Amino acid sequence: QKEVEQNSGPLSVPEGAIASLNCTYSDRGSQSFFWYRQYSGKSPELIMSIYSNGDKEDGRFTAQLNKASQYVSLLIRDSQPSDSATYLCAVSSGGYQKVTFGTGTKLQVIP
Amino acid sequence: GAVVSQHPSWVICKSGTSVKIECRSLDFQATTMFWYRQFPKQSLMLMATSNEGSKATYEQGVEKDKFLINHASLTLSTLTVTSAHPEDSSFYICSARDPRQGGGNTIYFGEGSWLTVV
Repeated sequence: QKEVEQNSGPLSVPEGAIASLNCTYSDRGSQSFFWYRQYSGKSPELIMSIYSNGDKEDGRFTAQLNKASQYVSLLIRDSQPSDSATYLCAVSSGGYQKVTFGTGTKLQVIP
Repeated sequence: GAVVSQHPSWVICKSGTSVKIECRSLDFQATTMFWYRQFPKQSLMLMATSNEGSKATYEQGVEKDKFLINHASLTLSTLTVTSAHPEDSSFYICSARDPRQGGGNTIYFGEGSWLTVV
C-alpha cells in the first residue's frame, strides 16, 4: 500500500465549476498536510497547508482534513483554465520527519 | 513563502562530462534539502536527502558515486552528475525544508534544472 495515494486523473471540469481533488494516507500519526501545484515543465509550488481537522480556506482554494478517515482534499472554486496542472498531496508525521508526496492528480479545466 | 533558488535552469553537456547544479535557500537556513528527478509525464522521484554537515542519504537504486551531493552550508546544497550519459537527461529539482513553518515540515522547491546530455 502506498503511503500517500492520489487518483492520477486526468480530472476534467468545466470552467467555473468546483474541482475536488482527493488524497488518502496510511500513517495515522501524520500531522502536517500540504497541497502543491505543478505546471507542466515547472517545479511544484506550495499552495496550501493544513494541520487540524476541518476546512481551511485561502481565496478560491479550500483544504479539508479528516484525520479519522485519513483523508485530505483540495477544493478549487470557480475553476479557471490556468488551474490546469498536476496537484500533489504531501504528508508528514510532524517534527522533522520525512515528507511523503503522492504521485499527483492531473486537473484539466475545460474553457 | 520562502524562496529556494536553483541554478542553472537548463544545461547541455557532452556525454562523459560532469555537471553541477546548485540549490540555495535565500531567506532561511535549511538543515535539510532534497534532490528529485522527474522524467517527462512522470512523478517526482526522490533521489537523496541532503543534510548540512553530513553525508547525504540516498534512496534505493540511486548511485551515490554518480550523483554526488554536498551540503556544505545551511543555505547551499549541490548535486554533481558525474560521467553523465544521455539517460541522465531529466528535470532535476531541489527542495528545502523551512524550519520556521509547519512544525519544520514545510518544503519549498527550487525552479528546477533541465539537464540534457548529448
